[in-house]
Amino acid sequence: LAKTTQPISMDSYEGQEVNITCSHNNIATNDYITWYQQFPSQGPRFIIQGYKTKVTNEVASLFIPADRKSSTLSLPRVSLSDTAVYYCLVDPRMDSSYKLIFGSGTRLLVRP
Amino acid sequence: GAVVSQHPSRVICKSGTSVKIECRSLDFQATTMFWYRQFPKKSLMLMATSNEGSKATYEQGVEKDKFLINHASLTLSTLTVTSAHPEDSSFYICSAGDRPNYGYTFGSGTRLTVV
Repeated sequence: LAKTTQPISMDSYEGQEVNITCSHNNIATNDYITWYQQFPSQGPRFIIQGYKTKVTNEVASLFIPADRKSSTLSLPRVSLSDTAVYYCLVDPRMDSSYKLIFGSGTRLLVRP
Repeated sequence: GAVVSQHPSRVICKSGTSVKIECRSLDFQATTMFWYRQFPKKSLMLMATSNEGSKATYEQGVEKDKFLINHASLTLSTLTVTSAHPEDSSFYICSAGDRPNYGYTFGSGTRLTVV
């Protein structure tokens, strides 16, 4: 299973764009990259998932370079409610012992 | 979208008693469910993988006789914390999915406090 590494914490201000980068050097060919958001005392919430290049949805964009050894979650114009922990996971779909392993996550604090 | 319901949301029990936590997939069938525990300010730690109709697979260091997992149907998995002790107090979260194209869906979590 590929291990992920993210910054422990990040600070930002309302209205700014926030980019959180995750490294996953030993990602396997069939693995996907998934990002989750977690608020205190709640379960993680799916944000976005991708395999390569760029994926965009209504809340975020995900950039994955050609070598797929890293990925960047981009949150446009953050608000105070985006203060949360963000987890990058490698989704080993073709692994017979499929399981989702969480890394340390990035604690994002959005200030007024 | 996929919804996973987890109950209870919080429970307080006396030391030595057992507590059951339910995890239900409401609008899809889940052959696999995951159980996690999370301590304050820490990441989620995978405890076990629950497979419908078969025995759960426990992660190293997780006592299977203490954390009993039953996945008797495609929509329900239960975690029973047996003979609970204060050190078992934690936030327990389940996750279910048979739709990898949409990611796995997590329950809202159960805050267990053992007194």
